[in-house]
Amino acid sequence: QIQLVQSGPELKKPGESVKISCKASGYTFTNYGMYWVKQAPGQGLQYMGWINTETGKPTYADDFKGRFVFFLETSASTAYLQINNLKNEDMATYFCASGTLFDYWGQGVMVTVSS
Amino acid sequence: DVVMTQTPVSLPVSLGGQASISCRSSQSLVHSNGNTYLHWYLQKPGQSPQLLIYRVSNRFSGVPDRFSGSGSGTDFTLKISRVEPEDLGDYYCLQSTHFPRTFGGGTKLELK
Repeated sequence: QIQLVQSGPELKKPGESVKISCKASGYTFTNYGMYWVKQAPGQGLQYMGWINTETGKPTYADDFKGRFVFFLETSASTAYLQINNLKNEDMATYFCASGTLFDYWGQGVMVTVSS
Repeated sequence: DVVMTQTPVSLPVSLGGQASISCRSSQSLVHSNGNTYLHWYLQKPGQSPQLLIYRVSNRFSGVPDRFSGSGSGTDFTLKISRVEPEDLGDYYCLQSTHFPRTFGGGTKLELK
């Protein structure tokens, strides 16, 4: 069955970087784009953007241009989200999602930013 | 960007009762191919969102027929009849007609 398995929780200091992985299984990785979604504590879902898994081209929503990077390791069916120069407001759970209908979701990765 | 306005923010219900959630978009969600890409998700506490309804009114695999979606253009509704305990949580609409995709703000379905 289709699964998206994400890496574990992260504790980082402001100004550091974090890399989150999302490993896909159960389907051909390049068949669907990979989306990233942010959920701040107690808040709703916020679309961050997506990466075309055939071409590797990322597209970022306006709030996520600059410090956020989407990239792939296609041979390992894995997508990555890297956040550079972490800020307090980056503290959130980050989900990957795939499928034409956002029908498959990872379990989420909680990123804590604290000095 | 398309703004998705979801109401109400909180919806107290009784078990066995009915719930209705509205989602309105700032522009039409009809794609140039004629399809309307408006979907509904439920996020239970501590879990990832799960797809309930896709393209306005189609139930995803395994979703009970107590859930129904309707609407067109810019105005959409999710109805839940005979509410059960496992239906409680946060509901979100999502439009995937336009880039960037956008979510509604969410509706918390809770016990009255």
